[in-house]
Amino acid sequence: RKEVEQDPGPFNVPEGATVAFNCTYSNSASQSFFWYRQDCRKEPKLLMSVYSSGNEDGRFTAQLNRASQYISLLIRDSKLSDSATYLCVVNGANAGNMLTFGGGTRLMVKP
Amino acid sequence: NAGVTQTPKFRILKIGQSMTLQCAQDMNHNYMYWYRQDPGMGLKLIYYSVGAGITDKGEVPNGYNVSRSTTEDFPLRLELAAPSQTSVYFCASNQGNTEAFFGQGTRLTVV
Repeated sequence: RKEVEQDPGPFNVPEGATVAFNCTYSNSASQSFFWYRQDCRKEPKLLMSVYSSGNEDGRFTAQLNRASQYISLLIRDSKLSDSATYLCVVNGANAGNMLTFGGGTRLMVKP
Repeated sequence: NAGVTQTPKFRILKIGQSMTLQCAQDMNHNYMYWYRQDPGMGLKLIYYSVGAGITDKGEVPNGYNVSRSTTEDFPLRLELAAPSQTSVYFCASNQGNTEAFFGQGTRLTVV
């Protein structure tokens, strides 16, 4: 089993739709969690950190479920500009206590 | 704020040539990472370092070498370039459980 797993997609959604991605991690001792966004041929950039109590930033909501070992990202009212690859990142997913990236989920928002 | 700086941004190498990809960060981060990303694929960890003088192999280390003589710098060396090393290379750094910051990437083509 991979340390951090994501559905690669692509998720094709119309503008205005709500879309959700999940990411599972294997190490129950993992410490911190993040969602990154990566545009084509660009470096990944932090979208939001994921806190135990969940957190929201505008149209984006992140949740952590420690019992089931997954994090989620919900995007409401999708915009064309949301089209990108979303990377799940877990700190402490392996013995080295370093960041581990999921393979990414590709989102395409259509007019 | 410079953050993570990678040089060069682009490079074309002939088969068998060698080069060093430079990475420097000014945030006093202990952890530094080198990833490669092939078209349409996820990030693959090449090498990482948890502090000056300490380096370790990632998922795809063959054909590469690294050193970490200072906290700031983490160069990646390709000794005998091969077409399979054509990729985009990203350097990243973080501290403890915090988010990772990425350089803008180096686009390498081996012909």
